[in-house]
Amino acid sequence: GESVGLHLPTLSVQEGDNSIINCAYSNSASDYFIWYKQESGKGPQFIIDIRSNMDKRQGQRVTVLLNKTVKHLSLQIAATQPGDSAVYFCAEHNYGQNFVFGPGTRLSVLP
Amino acid sequence: ETGVTQSPTHLIKTRGQQVTLRCSSQSGHNTVSWYQQALGQGPQFIFQYYREEENGRGNFPPRFSGLQFPNYSSELNVNALELDDSALYLCASRGVGPDTQYFGPGTRLTVL
Repeated sequence: GESVGLHLPTLSVQEGDNSIINCAYSNSASDYFIWYKQESGKGPQFIIDIRSNMDKRQGQRVTVLLNKTVKHLSLQIAATQPGDSAVYFCAEHNYGQNFVFGPGTRLSVLP
Repeated sequence: ETGVTQSPTHLIKTRGQQVTLRCSSQSGHNTVSWYQQALGQGPQFIFQYYREEENGRGNFPPRFSGLQFPNYSSELNVNALELDDSALYLCASRGVGPDTQYFGPGTRLTVL
């Protein structure tokens, strides 16, 4: 079946550096994508979303890039802070279906 | 805070028992989805309710069932609990279409 996957299961960055978390998707019909942040023992927290008719969207310190040619999604976090340490999931939505989540990437911010 | 609430926070059951988990959706959201998240994995879609009808289901057996009420709150029922049902159960609500989906804090179910 269709799936969403991540290139790197873990990512360690120095505080203040930029972080890039990647995600590959396999369904070219997917029309909407969401990045979630999940801290230990909590539910996933919405970070940013992007629709398939866009290739870039910016939020506060975060940017999502969508490359439909290679079916690739990335989340960029600027000036990474200790509070950014968490597991990050990308979720893919196909019209008429529901969201499919990847296994997640753990981001560790080093002092 | 997303406005999506779930109860209880934690629950311990034994094999063969039945459990009911509850979710209140965010105001204005008429679609509720339930997910199972095993330790160290991403959420797996169980089913979705829209206007009190199930309108989507993932690869879960019939002993996983649900309800949605007129106020859009929802229940997840699991019968004949198995050890592998131990997980974090997440409820998410959204509006119509591929709209942003917001999660509740989850219910941690442990089956002994």
